[in-house]
Amino acid sequence: DIQMTQSPSSLSASIGDRVTITCRTSQSINNNLNWYQQKPGKAPQLLIYDTSILQSGVPSRFSGGGSGTGFTLTISTLQPEDFATYYCQQSYTMFRTFGQGTKVEIK
Amino acid sequence: QLQLQESGSRLVKPSQTLSLTCTVSGGSISGGAYSCSWIRQPPGRGLEYIGFVSPGGSTYYSPSLKSRVAMSVDTSKNHFSLKLTSVTAADTAVYYCASQRGGAFHHWGRGTLVTVSS
Repeated sequence: DIQMTQSPSSLSASIGDRVTITCRTSQSINNNLNWYQQKPGKAPQLLIYDTSILQSGVPSRFSGGGSGTGFTLTISTLQPEDFATYYCQQSYTMFRTFGQGTKVEIK
Repeated sequence: QLQLQESGSRLVKPSQTLSLTCTVSGGSISGGAYSCSWIRQPPGRGLEYIGFVSPGGSTYYSPSLKSRVAMSVDTSKNHFSLKLTSVTAADTAVYYCASQRGGAFHHWGRGTLVTVSS
């Protein structure tokens, strides 16, 4: 299995802040990395796929980068609706695995 | 826009079989544009991939669950199904169906909480 490690597990930030979440994998996955946002009581929503491609309808303040074993999700200017839990997910192997999640809270 | 909706048993007794169906609207499974996946989330915890079934019926299951899981697809009804046998309390979770394209889960159902309890 490919292990996924997100950091931090949680963070507190203010409206307007720049936020970066990191996802590291136990082996190289090329660019096969996807990011999701989940709000309480709701299903996850795809934000970014293949490391850096923005899903249709996702605001441009979200961006993704990285390659190999290290990846980032950046929110350039945090908005009230961005407070949520974010998950990374690898699609390099048939056995898809997720990171443990990063909860973004209001400072 | 593709929409998915889970349905099925919400309360399952230990050792029995969990059965869920995912009905797809806004697009045809038989079109082959995506595979039909299941993902679960125990209360207060993270996401766990269960597996997928392709429009043609090919399957892939999580190694940790493969001895208990079966997935199928019915293209005439535009739905796909999950069965999980010999359930225990550890299988209590919100179960999501999702469309999988290129390895990413593009559309999700709302999820259904399945509780395993006597």
